[in-house]
Amino acid sequence: GAVVSQHPSWVICKSGTSVKIECRSLDFQATTMFWYRQFPKQSLMLMATSNEGSKATYEQGVEKDKFLINHASLTLSTLTVTSAHPEDSSFYICSASFVQGLYEQYFGPGTRLTVT
Amino acid sequence: QQQVKQSPQSLIVQKGGIPIINCAYENTAFDYFPWYQQFPGKGPALLIAIRPDVSEKKEGRFTISFNKSAKQFSLHIMDSQPGDSATYFCAASRQGAQKLVFGQGTRLTINP
Repeated sequence: GAVVSQHPSWVICKSGTSVKIECRSLDFQATTMFWYRQFPKQSLMLMATSNEGSKATYEQGVEKDKFLINHASLTLSTLTVTSAHPEDSSFYICSASFVQGLYEQYFGPGTRLTVT
Repeated sequence: QQQVKQSPQSLIVQKGGIPIINCAYENTAFDYFPWYQQFPGKGPALLIAIRPDVSEKKEGRFTISFNKSAKQFSLHIMDSQPGDSATYFCAASRQGAQKLVFGQGTRLTINP
């Protein structure tokens, strides 16, 4: 149980375009979803936290106008990277938690974004 | 104060050995300490977690030791196997916040 999926698993886009990444909780209703960014051989960096129906809370230094997060339902959150640049190339990972699961976060498989 | 410091950065152990990865924290409000395993190109997977009311927790070959007074916790992998080769992250969070603070990660290699 507690499976989280992400789509797409990898995406290549041209500089200046926008790309949307979906995160879904498949077998539970996620009260909170988290978006992380991970550079090669580095740790996970939390970008934002979102609760269903509420605006996302962004971490310091993360541009909210560039990384748009929507948590429209209890099973779906989306991250849109707007006007992507090569420096946005990274591994993006979402996670989800639910009340009955206490603090545990269940992670998705990640999305590799390459901006050319 | 929000940091979790993890060591070593990398570790090589022979098959059957017991790799030990250590983490230290400063924030005494942290009350949940999970360990994650991540394979290349994949998301992290929860291995085992502990709360500060116990000093040790074992699940299969994985054991967490927790020292509340020293503000340290560690992961031990018994009878390590080449398939355990991965990057391991410790993390911490505090009640209600849910946000996880991750350590820097340890790249573990188990040689056959």
